[in-house]
Amino acid sequence: AQTVTQSQPEMSVQEAETVTLSCTYDTSESDYYLFWYKQPPSRQMILVIRQEAYKQQNATENRFSVNFQKAAKSFSLKISDSQLGDAAMYFCAYRSAGGGSNYKLTFGKGTLLTVNP
Amino acid sequence: KAGVTQTPRYLIKTRGQQVTLSCSPISGHRSVSWYQQTPGQGLQFLFEYFSETQRNKGNFPGRFSGRQFSNSRSEMNVSTLELGDSALYLCASSLAGAGSYEQYFGPGTRLTVT
Repeated sequence: AQTVTQSQPEMSVQEAETVTLSCTYDTSESDYYLFWYKQPPSRQMILVIRQEAYKQQNATENRFSVNFQKAAKSFSLKISDSQLGDAAMYFCAYRSAGGGSNYKLTFGKGTLLTVNP
Repeated sequence: KAGVTQTPRYLIKTRGQQVTLSCSPISGHRSVSWYQQTPGQGLQFLFEYFSETQRNKGNFPGRFSGRQFSNSRSEMNVSTLELGDSALYLCASSLAGAGSYEQYFGPGTRLTVT
């Protein structure tokens, strides 16, 4: 079974600064997808960024980028120019790519990000 | 497009009762997954439905069940409620076509069991 570990329960960052959230995972599969989701206090889970394991290029979405190290099974999220609206719980998630019946997401425990003005 | 909707948003039930939660996926999405979120256990996968068939099931007791209708709307049912069933129940939908793999979440249903 796959596991996802987020070793930082809480992180804080100053507005306009950069912060990196860590995520490691354990799997024996070679093809999979990785995601970062954001859950603000309103509770709506929002997809931030995704990465296909077969792609070597790191995904980027505006101020959000990832550092995907497949051999190390590491998938960190970098938030640049942090904004107050970035404050939320961030979840790292894994999904197997094998077959059409694998829509199960395995989540880490989350990292609570605080943005200080 | 409208996002994933879940009803009701909040629910209070008593131990031993049963409850039904509803989820309407994004238009055109055929896969619906359910997750339970608690402070202690985090986010745990319950089950996934596609074309009215359960394709994948998490490690939950048989009291937790679900179904999907021909319009892709899904319901989950919890029978004989226990205090430990208090949680935020999240529904997620996916296009489920070739190359699609993203899941989009609804706002959740907050269930409190007293």
